[in-house]
Amino acid sequence: QKEVEQNSGPLSVPEGAIASLNCTYSDRGSQSFFWYRQYSGKSPELIMSIYSNGDKEDGRFTAQLNKASQYVSLLIRDSQPSDSATYLCAVILTGGGNKLTFGTGTQLKVEL
Amino acid sequence: DGGITQSPKYLFRKEGQNVTLSCEQNLNHDAMYWYRQDPGQGLRLIYYSQIVNDFQKGDIAEGYSVSREKKESFPLTVTSAQKNPTAFYLCASRDSLAKNIQYFGAGTRLSVL
Repeated sequence: QKEVEQNSGPLSVPEGAIASLNCTYSDRGSQSFFWYRQYSGKSPELIMSIYSNGDKEDGRFTAQLNKASQYVSLLIRDSQPSDSATYLCAVILTGGGNKLTFGTGTQLKVEL
Repeated sequence: DGGITQSPKYLFRKEGQNVTLSCEQNLNHDAMYWYRQDPGQGLRLIYYSQIVNDFQKGDIAEGYSVSREKKESFPLTVTSAQKNPTAFYLCASRDSLAKNIQYFGAGTRLSVL
């Protein structure tokens, strides 16, 4: 079992729809979770961080965390073509060093 | 202008050659990280350093070396022992005052001639 798992996609949604991206992780002791957006050929940029169970909203983005189910998700409301990118889920696993472990990413395509 | 600067943007390595990738940050972050990304893959940790003059191996350290002589700088050397070096290399630093968020440089794309 991979430590951080994401569906590779592509996930296609129409413009204006809600995009839902999912991530599961194996380390039950993990406390810090991040979503990064990566455009093709560019470096990752932080979209959201979440540390507590529940929802965290920032503009059109909502991160959801359920530690009991070891599941973190990212919702993008009113999806725009500019949201088309690969979304990387990253988790700080227990074990020291505050090292990020990344999923392989989900490619999102927002269609006109 | 605060940030993380990686250079060069593109780098070509000849057979048997060592090459060094530069990473400089002026964010006053203590911790710095090097990742490798292959096409269609997530990021894999090569080396990391939590303080000056100290560094640890990540998941794929073989064929790479680093140094951390200054807080601002964390160069990565890709040695001739790394047989498959073609990848996108990303440097990051961590803000320990902001719940351990890592910020990335623009990356260096390394190819083999």
